[in-house]
Amino acid sequence: SQQGEEDPQALSIQEGENATMNCSYKTSINNLQWYRQNSGRGLVHLILIRSNEREKHSGRLRVTLDTSKKSSSLLITASRAADTASYFCATARSFGNEKLTFGTGTRLTIIP
Amino acid sequence: EADIYQTPRYLVIGTGKKITLECSQTMGHDKMYWYQQDPGMELHLIHYSYGVNSTEKGDLSSESTVSRIRTEHFPLTLESARPSHTSQYLCASSPGRRTGADTQYFGPGTRLTVL
Repeated sequence: SQQGEEDPQALSIQEGENATMNCSYKTSINNLQWYRQNSGRGLVHLILIRSNEREKHSGRLRVTLDTSKKSSSLLITASRAADTASYFCATARSFGNEKLTFGTGTRLTIIP
Repeated sequence: EADIYQTPRYLVIGTGKKITLECSQTMGHDKMYWYQQDPGMELHLIHYSYGVNSTEKGDLSSESTVSRIRTEHFPLTLESARPSHTSQYLCASSPGRRTGADTQYFGPGTRLTVL
């Protein structure tokens, strides 16, 4: 079964608005990471948040983590057309496993 | 931009052909990964390696094989391609310094179509 599921599956907003994507997971984690994928390309790492952290910022990105609810959110503020992409969360499990399990992704479209 | 390269970027071949997808990284990373991704879907790990002469199968069963003879090189081979192998194949690497999975750096991917 999937470790991570993202919500919504697709999101369209006007340029300048904020975009929020959510990720839920099932097992205990060591860290959670967010990646961006432009159409047909490889993934680019955005941000990593450890299990003992609750919030992290990077430029226009804000990530929160609630381990009690096994969920994370990614907020992109003041969206730009260049933010149009798919966004994936990926979880690193707690014990003896250094692999990442990717979520289903959110397809974000920014309308100019 | 990550220093990880994949060739070819696009490949269209006939059923039964043997193919090798190349992946190379110049970052000196110990850990390398192969993922399979269908359009608009999540990534599935099919192979990984924690160093030279170390390879493991991933979470998704795959008929492909991999080798890791040099740190920088992690090729994936399909002995006899079938239409069910049509997909995008993504290679990634990570430095492996952090406990519990480090940041992964991805190549641009190879889009494989088997006719």
